[in-house]
Amino acid sequence: QVQLQESGPGLVRPSETLSLTCSVSGGSFNNYYWTWIRQPPGKGLEWIGYIYNGGSTNYNPSLKSRVTMSVDTSRNQVSLKMISVTAADTAVYYCARQLGYLDYWGQGKLVTVSS
Amino acid sequence: EILLTQSPATLSFSPGERATLSCRASQSVDRYLAWFQQKPGQAPRLLIYDTSNRATGIPARFSGSGSGTAFTLTISSLEPEDSAVYYCQQRHSWPLTFGGGTKVEIK
Repeated sequence: QVQLQESGPGLVRPSETLSLTCSVSGGSFNNYYWTWIRQPPGKGLEWIGYIYNGGSTNYNPSLKSRVTMSVDTSRNQVSLKMISVTAADTAVYYCARQLGYLDYWGQGKLVTVSS
Repeated sequence: EILLTQSPATLSFSPGERATLSCRASQSVDRYLAWFQQKPGQAPRLLIYDTSNRATGIPARFSGSGSGTAFTLTISSLEPEDSAVYYCQQRHSWPLTFGGGTKVEIK
């Protein structure tokens, strides 16, 4: 059974960098798009972007200037970094597997931006 | 960016009733539309992909239809555990986008 687990700090100060890692187990890591999606409390879902196992990326234009994704195929992990965060970046951050459709999701990591 | 509109925001039903949820796209997404179910405190779960294909383990009471800009998720006979927010999502064009969600309440 494929499992995804997000990890990282749950509290980030305004203007600092949000860093999260998604660890994948139980299935193939290669040949999938590893996607990050976020959900502000009580609101809808926003696609942040994806990284392919070869390292190619595609980011949401609304976040592109602040987001970087990377992949460590030796550890079956993908990472998300978002710079210059504000309170508007407070959300549950999900990683998900995509091959056409988003079929497996992590449980999500709540990240609060606050001083 | 393709905008997905779901209406209404909330629907209320009794168990056993039939629910029909709507999703409209601002431009054609062909058949590249999926539906997700999200319960409080949980990640979204894929129900339907590419308009009408049920994901693994999804009960037959869930079905999807449509094409182009108008899509429907039907739950043929509601169970109490179907109480959730339902989102549509398109993969026709980048960036991927989601609808705002429809909350289904079971009385």
